[in-house]
Amino acid sequence: DVKVTQSSRYLVKRTGEKVFLECVQDMDHENMFWYRQDPGLGLRLIYFSYDVKMKEKGDIPEGYSVSREKKERFSLILESASTNQTSMYLCASSLYPMTVNYGYTFGSGTRLTVV
Amino acid sequence: AQSVTQLDSQVPVFEEAPVELRCNYSSSVSVYLFWYVQYPNQGLQLLLKYLSGSTLVKGINGFEAEFNKSQTSFHLRKPSVHISDTAEYFCAVSDNAGNNRKLIWGLGTSLAVNP
Repeated sequence: DVKVTQSSRYLVKRTGEKVFLECVQDMDHENMFWYRQDPGLGLRLIYFSYDVKMKEKGDIPEGYSVSREKKERFSLILESASTNQTSMYLCASSLYPMTVNYGYTFGSGTRLTVV
Repeated sequence: AQSVTQLDSQVPVFEEAPVELRCNYSSSVSVYLFWYVQYPNQGLQLLLKYLSGSTLVKGINGFEAEFNKSQTSFHLRKPSVHISDTAEYFCAVSDNAGNNRKLIWGLGTSLAVNP
């Protein structure tokens, strides 16, 4: 079974800390995505990557950066965590150009609390 | 620009009753449509998708959806719901203007099935 694995289910960090959220997929997918999910706001795209070392900003990139050194791994970095970054973070991947056929495969999510 | 509107943010329903979750989209090009489900504290999983062909699409767990091009709708239905169907449901459309790499998401509909 294909998998997208997020390294942590729950994470508690302090304000100002540098936070790394890791995502690994085993499907050889080109595209990878980071979303945050907040009540009433749906899924908001932070960053996505369509190839190794390639990235594009999504709708809400401020306060975040990403790294994709290998095809299977896409990391989200909170440079200096703030309380307004408390959220559920979802990683997804998709096959290009077959996104339209297969959609996305999601990880289980990381619930980050910044205190 | 393409957009997705889920017309109901919350839908309460009694067990064994039928349910319809409504989704409308706007697009000037042909689209591909998806419904995803998110159970509590989990990631999203694909329920069903419309790519082409028959406008009635069947998915997992007894759900089906009908693509209506003239009304630009893709409503999700189930004839008899179970307690276990309680979840968040997301409608999404492929971003055909963006090389098909991304999905555009509705804000979600929270389905609460009561005994």
